[in-house]
Amino acid sequence: ILNVEQSPQSLHVQEGDSTNFTCSFPSSNFYALHWYRWETAKSPEALFVMTLNGDEKKKGRISATLNTKEGYSYLYIKGSQPEDSATYLCARLHGSSNTGKLIFGQGTTLQVKP
Amino acid sequence: EPEVTQTPSHQVTQMGQEVILRCVPISNHLYFYWYRQILGQKVEFLVSFYNNEISEKSEIFDDQFSVERPDGSNFTLKIRSTKLEDSAMYFCASKPDTSSGANVLTFGAGSRLTVL
Repeated sequence: ILNVEQSPQSLHVQEGDSTNFTCSFPSSNFYALHWYRWETAKSPEALFVMTLNGDEKKKGRISATLNTKEGYSYLYIKGSQPEDSATYLCARLHGSSNTGKLIFGQGTTLQVKP
Repeated sequence: EPEVTQTPSHQVTQMGQEVILRCVPISNHLYFYWYRQILGQKVEFLVSFYNNEISEKSEIFDDQFSVERPDGSNFTLKIRSTKLEDSAMYFCASKPDTSSGANVLTFGAGSRLTVL
C-alpha cells in the first residue's frame, strides 16, 4: 500500500518567518509528486509537479525540492504572509501517468499570524 | 481562468437516501476523477473516468457508487443508498490528455455531504 506522510500536521508562524515542511513517500516506482495549496472553502490549487530526482521548483516565495531516491520532498515558504495560511497537500502519483491517481498525505496546515 | 464547478456545495441527507453530486469539468479535459475527504482523514481516491468508462476505482467505490457523464459536460457521482460513513467532502477533478503524465489535476471546491 502506497503511504504518503506529511509533517508537521500543523504549524503556527509569525508574519515574516520562513518555514518548511516535509512530504515522505515510498521511493520505488516513482513517477511524480504533486504539491497543492488548499484554502478553506476553495479548490485545492496546484503549486508544483515534480518528477526528477534533485528537482527544485519555485513560485514566488514558495519553493520545493525532491529526493526520489530517499523518498521525500520539502516545501519552503520564505517570509510567510497571512495570505499563505492554508493547508498544503502533497500527493504521489500512483500507477500509469494516464490514470493520474494521486495518493495524498494528510496535509500540513499553516497559520501565519500578522 | 477555467475552473471545475461542483454542485451542491453542501447536501444534508438521511441515511438510505440516494444522492447525486454534480461536476462540470473544464471543457477540453478528458480525464475525470472523484476524490473524497472524510473529516480528519486524508484525501482519498474514489474513481477515474476516461473515454466514457471507468478506468480505475478504489475499494471504497463499491456497488453503491456510480459515475456518469450523461451529456458531455456534466460528470456525476451517485450514491444509491447513503450510509453515515459516506459523510465527507467530495472533490471532482479533471485533467487534459497530454503526453506528459505529470500534468496536474484541476479540482473543484468540493461538495460536502452530511448523512444523518
